[in-house]
Amino acid sequence: AQTVTQSQPEMSVQEAETVTLSCTYDTSESDYYLFWYKQPPSRQMILVIRQEAYKQQNATENRFSVNFQKAAKSFSLKISDSQLGDAAMYFCAYRSATIAAGNKLTFGGGTRVLVKP
Amino acid sequence: DSGVTQTPKHLITATGQRVTLRCSPRSGDLSVYWYQQSLDQGLQFLIQYYNGEERAKGNILERFSAQQFPDLHSELNLSSLELGDSALYFCASSVTGQGYAEQYFGPGTRLTVT
Repeated sequence: AQTVTQSQPEMSVQEAETVTLSCTYDTSESDYYLFWYKQPPSRQMILVIRQEAYKQQNATENRFSVNFQKAAKSFSLKISDSQLGDAAMYFCAYRSATIAAGNKLTFGGGTRVLVKP
Repeated sequence: DSGVTQTPKHLITATGQRVTLRCSPRSGDLSVYWYQQSLDQGLQFLIQYYNGEERAKGNILERFSAQQFPDLHSELNLSSLELGDSALYFCASSVTGQGYAEQYFGPGTRLTVT
C-alpha cells in the first residue's frame, strides 16, 4: 500500500516571503499522480497543483511550484510571495494510475501554514 | 463552489444511532468518492462508485455502507454510531472512474456523535 508522509506539522512564513513544504511517499508503482490540496478554515478541499509522475518537468501554478524528485520519492511544494490568504492546512496526496486501484487519493497528515503580516 | 453538494452540513446524533449523508455530484460526473477526515485517522478514502457500481473500497467499517443511485447521487449510511465516528465526511466526484480525472470535493458534512 502506498503511504504519504508530511514531516512538518506546522510552518510559519512572513508575508511576501517563500515557504517550502515537504512530502515523501512510498510506492512500488512507476506511474502515478501527486497533488497538493489546500484546506482553509472553511474546510473546503481545494486543488492547488498536480504532477504526473511520467513528466520530468516540475509543475507550476502561479505562485505555487513543486520540486518532484521521482527517484527520491519526494514532492515538495513552494509557495512564493506568500499572502495572508495562503494560511491553511496543506495536504500532499498520491493517486495510482493503475486502473484496478480506482482513483482513490491517499493523503499525508497535513502541514499547517501560518502567514505573518 | 465545486459543484458538488452535500447535505446536511452539520449533524449531531447520539451513540448507537444511524444517519445518512447525501451527495450530489457535479453535472456530468459519473464517479463519486467518500472520504473521512478525523483527528485520529486524518483524511482517508472510504469508497468509490462509478455509474452505480462499487469501484474501489478503502478503510470503510462494516457499520458503514454506501450506494450510488441511477440519478448518480450517492448516500453514505453510518450505523451503530460510536464517538470515534465523529468526523468531517467529504464527497468528491469526477467525470470518469479511471485515467486522469480531477476530483472535485464537496463542502463536507460534519458529524458529531455524542
